[in-house]
Order: sequence, then structure tokens, then C-alpha cells
Amino acid sequence: AQTVTQSQPEMSVQEAETVTLSCTYDTSESDYYLFWYKQPPSRQMILVIRQEAYKQQNATENRFSVNFQKAAKSFSLKISDSQLGDAAMYFCAYRSASSASKIIFGSGTRLSIRP
Amino acid sequence: SAVISQKPSRDICQRGTSLTIQCQVDSQVTMMFWYRQQPGQSLTLIATANQGSEATYESGFVIDKFPISRPNLTFSTLTVSNMSPEDSSIYLCSVFSSGAARNEQFFGPGTRLTVL
Repeated sequence: AQTVTQSQPEMSVQEAETVTLSCTYDTSESDYYLFWYKQPPSRQMILVIRQEAYKQQNATENRFSVNFQKAAKSFSLKISDSQLGDAAMYFCAYRSASSASKIIFGSGTRLSIRP
Repeated sequence: SAVISQKPSRDICQRGTSLTIQCQVDSQVTMMFWYRQQPGQSLTLIATANQGSEATYESGFVIDKFPISRPNLTFSTLTVSNMSPEDSSIYLCSVFSSGAARNEQFFGPGTRLTVL
């Protein structure tokens, strides 16, 4: 069975600085998707960034980028120029490429931003 | 993309009663997912609902406790039956988009349930 592990329950970063959230996963599959979701206090789940396992290039979305290490099964999220609005719970997630598969979430990392 | 609405957005219920949560999607989707998020926890999948067939429940969740309906391709309901305080959670509806763009999974705004 696939598992997703986030070892950092809480992280804090100074505004405008850079922070990296860690995520590791376990799977025997070769084709899958990885995601980072943000959940602010409004509780709406917002997709931050996604990575297809077959792509070697790391995904980037504006200030958000990932370091995808397929062999190590590692998928970290880097947030550059942190802003107060980045404060939220961040969930790492895995989904098999099969169209019938479910998404599996890590336990989450609560990110706070110091002004 | 898919826009998902849920009703109610929150409710406070008495022990032993049942609550039905509605999920409406603005486009037709094959699969709909129901998740539970207990306070301070991550999301746990309750069941997957396909139109025209019985829902598939994850380990630890049963149909008698969480009956699901899926009458068409844009709508689903989740009922939390015979509630206890342990059922106090956020319940989220989710759909998977297999469109050309992103194979993305979208989430509704959630229903915050408090059981007294």
C-alpha cells in the first residue's frame, strides 16, 4: 500500500524568506502523481503544485517549486519570498496514475509566517 | 476545472440523529469521493461513489453508518447516521477531473459537523 509521510508537524518562516516542507512517500508503482495542497483556515483545499512521476523536470508555480527525487521517493516543497497569506496547513499527497485510484494524504505541516 | 458546492456548510447536531450532506458539481464526473477530516488531522477517504453503482467504502467505514447516494453525474449525498461526538469532523466532497488539462482533484468547501 502507498503511504505519504510528512515529518514536520509545524514550520515557521520569516516573511520574505524561503522555507522548504518535506515529504516522502512509498510506492511500488512507476506511474503516479504527487501534489501539494494548501488548506487555509477557511478549510478550502487548494492545489498548490503537482508533479507527474514520469517528468524529470521539477514543477514550478510562481513562488512555489518542488524538489522531486524519484529514486529517493522524496517530494519537498519550496516556498520563496514567503508571504503572510501562505500561512496554512500544507498536505503532501499521492495518487496512482490509474483513473480509478484515490488520493492519499500525508499528515500535514502547519506553516506559520512571522511578520 | 470543477466547481463544487456543499450543503450545509456547517451544522450542530444532537447525538443519535442523522445528517445528510449534499455535494453538487458544475460538470459531469464519473467518480466522486467523500473525505473526513477530524480536528487537527489529515483527510481520510470514506468512500468512492460512482453513478449507477454501490459506493466503495474504505476500511473502517461502513454503509450503515455512512450511506451514500449518487443519483446522477453531478450530485451526491453522504449521510452520517446515528451520530456521536466522535463524528465531529469536516466532511469534504471531491471529484477527479480527467480533462485534457491537468488530471486534477478538486475539493468542495467542506461541511463542518459538530455533534453534541
